[in-house]
Amino acid sequence: QSVLTQPPSASGTPGQRVTISCSGSRSNIGSNYVYWYQQLPGTAPKLLIYRNNQRPSGVPDRFSGSKSGTSASLAISGLRSEDEADYYCAAWDVRLRVLFGGGTKLTVL
Amino acid sequence: QVQLQESGPGLVKASETLSLTCTVSGLSITTDYYWGWVRQPPGKGLEWIGDINHSGSTDYNPSLKSRVTISLDTSKNQVSLKLSSVTAADTAVYYCSRANGDYPGYIFDIWGQGTMVTVSS
Repeated sequence: QSVLTQPPSASGTPGQRVTISCSGSRSNIGSNYVYWYQQLPGTAPKLLIYRNNQRPSGVPDRFSGSKSGTSASLAISGLRSEDEADYYCAAWDVRLRVLFGGGTKLTVL
Repeated sequence: QVQLQESGPGLVKASETLSLTCTVSGLSITTDYYWGWVRQPPGKGLEWIGDINHSGSTDYNPSLKSRVTISLDTSKNQVSLKLSSVTAADTAVYYCSRANGDYPGYIFDIWGQGTMVTVSS
């Protein structure tokens, strides 16, 4: 059971907008940045969002992040088949140090 | 460009020590970054193991701290991971990652391809 809670699955059709939530507490999301990582099947994770809503160069602007209180969200607009992957949120926790969410498997229908 | 490559035994016996190496190319490990290890049990999520900065200061997952050692070999530009007294629960893909310090956390921006380690009984 992860301290950062994500829905185990999400789905959408091509072109749709989907959101993935990440719920934490005051000791992690509530007081620190949130990061998002994308893991395509059989590959290493890739940084998608840092500092709640910043995109590294090369990440399409279809991906956006937001944070409010002790929760964060990743939104993917204009969904594509190549977006099918596992998505993980991450945050620093005062006691537990680096935390990853349990991951959300995104299926493009 | 910066590349990370993990290497080490794919099979370790229970109660023994798991030893992995991350060879970094394209950047000196003495540059102002952190070098971390993250693992992923089969079919499960990511777990941070720990990291080390360019000057050798370490930070470990509290749940693994008593068994983990991360160190630098600057002559070979390598980062090593040692995990002692392993059990089946330590079976996982182990990733090496470069991290930017983003106080108090980290941005893991470059990852190795990962190496699978199985603990046998």
